[in-house]
Amino acid sequence: DGGITQSPKYLFRKEGQNVTLSCEQNLNHDAMYWYRQDPGQGLRLIYYSQIVNDFQKGDIAEGYSVSREKKESFPLTVTSAQKNPTAFYLCASSTSIGNEQYFGPGTRLTVT
Amino acid sequence: SQKIEQNSEALNIQEGKTATLTCNYTNYSPAYLQWYRQDPGRGPVFLLLIRENEKEKRKERLKVTFDTTLKQSLFHITASQPADSATYLCALDRNNNDMRFGAGTRLTVKP
Repeated sequence: DGGITQSPKYLFRKEGQNVTLSCEQNLNHDAMYWYRQDPGQGLRLIYYSQIVNDFQKGDIAEGYSVSREKKESFPLTVTSAQKNPTAFYLCASSTSIGNEQYFGPGTRLTVT
Repeated sequence: SQKIEQNSEALNIQEGKTATLTCNYTNYSPAYLQWYRQDPGRGPVFLLLIRENEKEKRKERLKVTFDTTLKQSLFHITASQPADSATYLCALDRNNNDMRFGAGTRLTVKP
């Protein structure tokens, strides 16, 4: 059953803690993305990766970090430097940059 | 600066009517434009892609137009159904490096 998975669906953390969100795809896609969505707002790009071992900052990369050591995995770490981390985080993949994107189910992160 | 605007935050229509959603953009020269559907609490789902040299694309009850002169795309759902109620997002490629999404239009189809 091919697709893109994110875990966990809900995540709760205390302020000041780093947290890592998982994203895995078995679609053999080269490109992967992380977006943040806040209520009533569109998707904002955090980071994207076109190939393994390469990634680029999006519009709101500050306070976040990523790695792309394997083609199928693109984890996102929300660091304590991110001022407003509570949001809905979406991971996506595509065959290459600019093609249709396949999204995971999202992780809702709440930091208190 | 580059901007993507979707016509309104919310659109309410009666079942059976045609829903028309608008996506306008400025300071872009996209090679293609995409439309996605998003249900509450879920990831967006790809619907249609239209290239700059295509005027119109259809898929079942969906139709997309792309006018690069007006810098606008229209997304139509004909014979709308309550199940079509969702938020619809347009997305444009930016210099072939990454995609940018509009804020979306929340469509409600009333029975």
